[in-house]
Amino acid sequence: GENVEQHPSTLSVQEGDSAVIKCTYSDSASNYFPWYKQELGKGPQLIIDIRSNVGEKKDQRIAVTLNKTAKHFSLHITETQPEDSAVYFCAALRRDSWGKLQFGAGTQVVVTP
Amino acid sequence: DVKVTQSSRYLVKRTGEKVFLECVQDMDHENMFWYRQDPGLGLRLIYFSYDVKMKEKGDIPEGYSVSREKKERFSLILESASTNQTSMYLCASQGLGTFSSGANVLTFGAGSRLTVL
Repeated sequence: GENVEQHPSTLSVQEGDSAVIKCTYSDSASNYFPWYKQELGKGPQLIIDIRSNVGEKKDQRIAVTLNKTAKHFSLHITETQPEDSAVYFCAALRRDSWGKLQFGAGTQVVVTP
Repeated sequence: DVKVTQSSRYLVKRTGEKVFLECVQDMDHENMFWYRQDPGLGLRLIYFSYDVKMKEKGDIPEGYSVSREKKERFSLILESASTNQTSMYLCASQGLGTFSSGANVLTFGAGSRLTVL
C-alpha cells in the first residue's frame, strides 16, 4: 500500500523566516496530495492541495511543489508568523481509494518571535 | 461550512469498559472516517464508511468496531477498552464529486481524547 514519509518531525523558525516540510510517497499511482494544519485543540484543516498534473501551487504565503518523478512533495511557508505554529500533515490519496488518504507522521512547527 | 461534531472531547475509562465515540456531520456527506492520532505516527485509519450501514476496515481495526445507522452519524466502539487504546480519536467526513467541488477534502472534528486506566 501507500507509504508517506514526512520530515522533519519538528521545526523551529524565527518569525519572518521560511519553513519547508518535505514528504515522499511510494505509490506512483497517487494523484492527489493535500496538506493539513492542526492547531492546538482542533482537528486538522486543509490548507492547500495539489494534483499530479500540476508542479506547483501557491496561496498567499504558502506553496506546495510536487516532483512526480522523484515521488516527493513539499510545503513552503514564507514570512512565517506566530499563528503558523501548528502541526502540519502531508497526505497522499491511496490507490485502494474511496477517497482514503495516507498521512505522514506530522511536523510540529514552532515560530518564535 | 461543513461541521463535524464529536460529542465527547475528553473521556476517562477503565480497562474492560465499553466505549462509544460519537460523530455527527451536517453536510450530507457520503464518506465518514475514524482516525487515531498518536505522536510520531500521524493519523492512522481505523474504519471507513461510504454509505449507511456500509463499513470497511482501515489499517488498524483490531479492538474497534463502528456503526453507521444514519448518514450523518458514525460511531466508533471499543468493545473492551485497553490501555493501549489511550489516544486522540478524530472523525472526518468527505463528500463525493469533482475535484473542483472539493471532493477528497476531509473535514475533521475537534477530536476525542480518550484515556484508559
